[in-house]
Amino acid sequence: EPEVTQTPSHQVTQMGQEVILRCVPISNHLYFYWYRQILGQKVEFLVSFYNNEISEKSEIFDDQFSVERPDGSNFTLKIRSTKLEDSAMYFCASGRLAGGPQQETQYFGPGTRLLVL
Amino acid sequence: AQKVTQAQTEISVVEKEDVTLDCVYETRDTTYYLFWYKQPPSGELVFLIRRNSFDEQNEISGRYSWNFQKSTSSFNFTITASQVVDSAVYFCALSGLNTGFQKLVFGTGTRLLVSP
Repeated sequence: EPEVTQTPSHQVTQMGQEVILRCVPISNHLYFYWYRQILGQKVEFLVSFYNNEISEKSEIFDDQFSVERPDGSNFTLKIRSTKLEDSAMYFCASGRLAGGPQQETQYFGPGTRLLVL
Repeated sequence: AQKVTQAQTEISVVEKEDVTLDCVYETRDTTYYLFWYKQPPSGELVFLIRRNSFDEQNEISGRYSWNFQKSTSSFNFTITASQVVDSAVYFCALSGLNTGFQKLVFGTGTRLLVSP
């Protein structure tokens, strides 16, 4: 069964450093998403991406965040200058099969745990 | 605005007990989807079920069942004969037409502990 994959599983970085989190969505999905979950808290929407552009973003997704689909398979989240409060689990998700009936389900990857020191 | 409330922070049961996890939602959308996800201790988010706002039929899948009631804006999840492997955090979530179904709004989750 196809899965969303994410790398790395864990990342430790120093405050102010740039990090890139990588995701490979399910092939033939058209919509891609990033969410984050601060330890012990609920999952929060960051951004959705469709047709090579951001289609929706939250107030959390400020100028220090960016997303990119550099090739046909990868979907990345970049944090330009990390802050302590960026420490969280970051989930990638994908949804909507190409050519099939609309499916509103988002399938999540296993997450990247980011720790900013 | 959309909101999902899971008032139960943590529930502890003994194996084989039945348990119901509550979910209450708020939305102005007339078309929306409701979801349940499971987050086991390993941390991933596992999709369990999707329900659209026009389908109020209850659903049963093995030991799992879901009760969707628009009149009370609730989408409750029952596990029958719970097992230790059911121990996890369970999240209820909502997506609406207003955001093109592109944004999942999650509740705060209910931690279920099933002891042997």
